Amino acid sequence: DIQMTQSPSSLSASVRDRVTITCRASQSIANYLNWYQQKPGKAPKLLIYAASSLQSGVPSRFSGSGSGTDFTLTISSLQPEDFATYYCQQSFSIPDTFGQGTKLEIK
Amino acid sequence: QVQLQESGPGLVKPSETLFLTCTVSGGSISEYYWNWIRQPAGKGLEWIGRIYSSGSTNYSPSLKSRVTMSVDTSKNQFSLKLSSVTAADTAVYYCARGRGLDYFDYWGQGTLVTVSS
Repeated sequence: DIQMTQSPSSLSASVRDRVTITCRASQSIANYLNWYQQKPGKAPKLLIYAASSLQSGVPSRFSGSGSGTDFTLTISSLQPEDFATYYCQQSFSIPDTFGQGTKLEIK
Repeated sequence: QVQLQESGPGLVKPSETLFLTCTVSGGSISEYYWNWIRQPAGKGLEWIGRIYSSGSTNYSPSLKSRVTMSVDTSKNQFSLKLSSVTAADTAVYYCARGRGLDYFDYWGQGTLVTVSS
């Protein structure tokens, strides 16, 4: 299985901060990398697919980059509704695997 | 707007079979991949497997020996069976639509399944 490692595991930030979350794959996955946001008690929500494509309806303050083994999710100016847990997911090979999550908390 | 809704027993006894159904509304089940993903309390996400509308499947190797998925296009539903469950299978189970083999764009709200005697 391809292991996905996110860093940091948790992060404290303030509204209007710029935040970057990193996801590293244990082998090259080209651009088969997706990002999800999950709020407590809710299902994950797709933010970014194919490493850098913004899902319809997702605010443009979210962006993704990377290829191969190293990827980043950036939130350009944090809003109150962005405090949540973020997961990366690889779809390069079966089984699909997720990172362990990054919990973004209010400072 | 596509919506997914999981249904099934919330409590299953150890060694028995977990059975869940996902009903798709607002769109056709045809020509998409349909996935099951689970999340133990306070933990991360685990992909269980997927089924295409034609019935072809891919399962996670770690669960493959215990998982069976099926699809009923006439009812716009797909299902998960997980046999010989243990406490380690206690989790919130989500169904999700797959865009190709790549990403999950619509999710159900999730259903908690507890394995306990």
